[in-house]
Amino acid sequence: SQKIEQNSEALNIQEGKTATLTCNYTNYSPAYLQWYRQDPGRGPVFLLLIRENEKEKRKERLKVTFDTTLKQSLFHITASQPADSATYLCASQKSNYQLIWGAGTKLIIKP
Amino acid sequence: GAGVSQSPSNKVTEKGKDVELRCDPISGHTALYWYRQSLGQGLEFLIYFQGNSAPDKSGLPSDRFSAERTGGSVSTLTIQRTQQEDSAVYLCASSQTPTEAFFGQGTRLTVV
Repeated sequence: SQKIEQNSEALNIQEGKTATLTCNYTNYSPAYLQWYRQDPGRGPVFLLLIRENEKEKRKERLKVTFDTTLKQSLFHITASQPADSATYLCASQKSNYQLIWGAGTKLIIKP
Repeated sequence: GAGVSQSPSNKVTEKGKDVELRCDPISGHTALYWYRQSLGQGLEFLIYFQGNSAPDKSGLPSDRFSAERTGGSVSTLTIQRTQQEDSAVYLCASSQTPTEAFFGQGTRLTVV
């Protein structure tokens, strides 16, 4: 069955360093992947979308890559700040309107 | 409104009671989704509404769950005869395109 996996362990990063989060998918080939940020007690907030024919997408300090050979997307935050601490969710296209969601990775940026 | 609004924010109910969760989407958004999020799990798709089309109910876990969307705007998710396993955060999202969804803050449901 179609699956999407994110590292369930929290990621601790020192402020100023680059944080890298991983999203792996199996048994399908999505046309695009999305990354969302979720803070405690809040709904997810859309960050970036990357399509299968795009290798890389950037938005300010954020960068997303999409490797269809490895079936993997990487999400990078450069010059990380404590305010970047949150849970980051990966979601991939399942159908025209449905997404498959990862469980998210909690990112903690230490000052 | 400015964003997706859900009510109530928190709901504690006794096992066996019915509950109604409300979602007010962003004005003009034709698509509306309900998801369920349990601790440590990914978002679980429940139901999808698009304009006047028949909703996709394929994610509803049992016939105790139902949802409606009146006038293409406000949606209500109803859970009948609640069970403890229904405890979760219920999230509503609306969108104008499939590629970006806007979420409400969620309703945390606790069945005791």
